[in-house]
Amino acid sequence: AQKITQTQPGMFVQEKEAVTLDCTYDTSDPSYGLFWYKQPSSGEMIFLIYQGSYDQQNATEGRYSLNFQKARKSANLVISASQLGDSAMYFCAMSGFGNEKLTFGTGTRLTIIP
Amino acid sequence: DVKVTQSSRYLVKRTGEKVFLECVQDMDHENMFWYRQDPGLGLRLIYFSYDVKMKEKGDIPEGYSVSREKKERFSLILESASTNQTSMYLCASNPLEGAEGYTFGSGTRLTVV
Repeated sequence: AQKITQTQPGMFVQEKEAVTLDCTYDTSDPSYGLFWYKQPSSGEMIFLIYQGSYDQQNATEGRYSLNFQKARKSANLVISASQLGDSAMYFCAMSGFGNEKLTFGTGTRLTIIP
Repeated sequence: DVKVTQSSRYLVKRTGEKVFLECVQDMDHENMFWYRQDPGLGLRLIYFSYDVKMKEKGDIPEGYSVSREKKERFSLILESASTNQTSMYLCASNPLEGAEGYTFGSGTRLTVV
């Protein structure tokens, strides 16, 4: 079974500061994928970034980077230079071998303060 | 633009009613999923389907069933709605291969009274 743990229910961050959202995972699959999604108040799930378990480099997408520490089973999302539009719910998720279904964490509500 | 479309944004139903939530994707994806989202619990998988007429139970299938008669359409059925099924329901699809291919619909907020 797979499990995702997000220990920060809510975070408040000053605009333009960097943000780290924590995510730890547990799985017995040798191959897996890690995802981060953003859910603004409109409710849509927006894909942000993906890291494969065999990827050597940490994934980056614009202001988003995934700090992947395999030995610690962590996959933290780092948002650089936060903006007001980053205020949203953020979910960490993982897929197992075969990439069939996603297991989600409970989410972190990020609020950016002007 | 690729799309997963959920037929209703908001629904209000009475206890005991049979409820259909419809989801259509236009990306020719093999896999389709129904999730339920509740505060503090994240998204939990109800059912998924990896082919027409194929379905598998997710983590919380009790009280739900699904139908996939055509590749593009995946329906979630509440046989007899109950108040504890009041929730946000999200449909998603992804291709057989492709880690970044998950696409979500905009969600249906169901209230059972």
